[in-house]
Amino acid sequence: TQLLEQSPQFLSIQEGENLTVYCNSSSVFSSLQWYRQEPGEGPVLLVTVVTGGEVKKLKRLTFQFGDARKDSSLHITAAQPGDTGLYLCAGGAGGTSYGKLTFGQGTILTVHP
Amino acid sequence: DSGVTQTPKHLITATGQRVTLRCSPRSGDLSVYWYQQSLDQGLQFLIQYYNGEERAKGNILERFSAQQFPDLHSELNLSSLELGDSALYFCASSTTGNSPLHFGNGTRLTVT
Repeated sequence: TQLLEQSPQFLSIQEGENLTVYCNSSSVFSSLQWYRQEPGEGPVLLVTVVTGGEVKKLKRLTFQFGDARKDSSLHITAAQPGDTGLYLCAGGAGGTSYGKLTFGQGTILTVHP
Repeated sequence: DSGVTQTPKHLITATGQRVTLRCSPRSGDLSVYWYQQSLDQGLQFLIQYYNGEERAKGNILERFSAQQFPDLHSELNLSSLELGDSALYFCASSTTGNSPLHFGNGTRLTVT
């Protein structure tokens, strides 16, 4: 069984601070996806990384896939209150099982004004 | 708005009962996925259908079943409900079997 360990579980910071969320596994994934989920809504895909060592940037968010494709990180620069939410990493098996995702437990981020 | 519609939004029922959750995928999406989200287990993959055929199965209990109809909507049937089945049930859809998922807003099931 593939498992994804996400840390930290909770993060409470002030506006303007930087933060990093980690996602680790002993298994290799064909892709690693990051989602953000707000209360009462479903997860929304932020990014997909597929190549070991890949780095993707989305405005103030930087996503990295580990060289061995077993781990990933999400770094947010100068966090804003609008960044508050649940962040989830998810590993994909690939091929016809692309959507059979293994999710981490999530990181609840609160950014205080 | 993801374009994925789930009904009902909330469902309260008693142990031992049976319920049906419905999902309408985004227009044109052939693949439908069901996920369960609970506080202790997080988001867990249940099952995937592609154009009416079961494509992949996860940790889905034998008391649970699903199907995808010719018009591509899907239903998740949960029977002999137990307190531990209380959770958020999400449906997601994608264009093909290997394209990004779009999640609906879920059905919150409470079993009392």
